[in-house]
Amino acid sequence: GNSVTQMEGPVTLSEEAFLTINCTYTATGYPSLFWYVQYPGEGLQLLLKATKADDKGSNKGFEATYRKETTSFHLEKGSVQVSDSAVYFCALSDYGGSQGNLIFGKGTKLSVKP
Amino acid sequence: DAGVIQSPRHEVTEMGQEVTLRCKPISGHDYLFWYRQTMMRGLELLIYFNNNVPIDDSGMPEDRFSAKMPNASFSTLKIQPSEPRDSAVYFCASSLKRPAVAFFGQGTRLTVV
Repeated sequence: GNSVTQMEGPVTLSEEAFLTINCTYTATGYPSLFWYVQYPGEGLQLLLKATKADDKGSNKGFEATYRKETTSFHLEKGSVQVSDSAVYFCALSDYGGSQGNLIFGKGTKLSVKP
Repeated sequence: DAGVIQSPRHEVTEMGQEVTLRCKPISGHDYLFWYRQTMMRGLELLIYFNNNVPIDDSGMPEDRFSAKMPNASFSTLKIQPSEPRDSAVYFCASSLKRPAVAFFGQGTRLTVV
């Protein structure tokens, strides 16, 4: 079945540091890949997405590239800010496959210190 | 559109009581998901609907949980009887098939004492 594995946190960085959060997936079809972010007390919201191999999703300085050969979708940001402190979720959807649902990783908590 | 609307935002109930959580998806979305979030287990998919029909309820923990979607603009998740281990934040989300971007409600924080 489909699954998503992302690095466990928490991750603590200083402001302006480089961020990488690893995400790998298993899918039977050709999934779309997503990163969602959850700020304290709120629901998840879409950060970026990629729908096919080699696509790069980007938003708010965050980037992730859909790598079919390594089944990965790692999240990166060159210079984090305190306001980036949140929980980040990697996810996939495979509506064309046998499982037409949206599957999330367990989330990685990021804390950015000033 | 106001986004996905969940009610109530907070619910405190005693063990054994029935709890009903409500969700109004974004108009026009044909998929609706119910998730449960806890510190221990993370974000778990409980059930999802396509065009008001339940497609996969394999994530529903046990028979105490039930979900309905009587029409395209309303869904409920019911727990009867509730237990302390059901304490969690329950999220509803909706999406179109293409693009498959899910929009989440703000969640219902359930505490069973």
